[in-house]
Amino acid sequence: EIVMTQSPATLSVSPGERATLSCRASQSISSNLAWYQQKPGQAPRLLIYGASTRATGIPARFSGSGSGTEFTLTISSLQSEDFAVYYCQQYNNWPLAFGQGTKVEIK
Amino acid sequence: EVQLLESGGGLVQPGGSLRLSCVASGFTFNSYAMSWVRQAPGKGLECVSAISGSGGSTSYADSVKGRFTISRDNSKNTLYLQMNSLRAEDTAVYYCARDKGYIGYPSDYWGQGTLVTVSS
Repeated sequence: EIVMTQSPATLSVSPGERATLSCRASQSISSNLAWYQQKPGQAPRLLIYGASTRATGIPARFSGSGSGTEFTLTISSLQSEDFAVYYCQQYNNWPLAFGQGTKVEIK
Repeated sequence: EVQLLESGGGLVQPGGSLRLSCVASGFTFNSYAMSWVRQAPGKGLECVSAISGSGGSTSYADSVKGRFTISRDNSKNTLYLQMNSLRAEDTAVYYCARDKGYIGYPSDYWGQGTLVTVSS
């Protein structure tokens, strides 16, 4: 079973600044990595799949990179609506596994 | 517009059963795998089960294997999750989600979730 580890647990960022979130897989998952955003009381929203492909309607300020075991989600200039919890998910093998999440909060 | 509407959640005693339903609209239902993902209160996300578009292939998390059964009725555009032998640790919001094509792919549309509480 693949374990996903995200860091940091909480990231304090000022609006307009860049945010960099990390995700590590316990074994290689190629590029089978997705990122989701979840706001309080809402369902998750798919942001990125294939490690770097933005989902439909996702703004260009969201970008993903990495392969193998190390992955990064970058938000180039944080907007007020971007403060949320972000999860990575591997879909290389069943069971699909999520990381524990990174909360991006206002500094 | 893709819409997923879950129902069937509620309060159930340990050892009890519950069946969740998810009615889909806005897309060709039988062309997509579907998943159930749960989130315990204040916790992260867990993929519980998934089913292929035809219904011929299913997958389960170890935590629910042998207790939960996923199924679908493509004539009714409806996904189901039969949950038996429920435990306190099954308490969570259960989301229905459409997978990006095949079973085991990421989920690109999600319902708003239905809360299942297992307690005496």
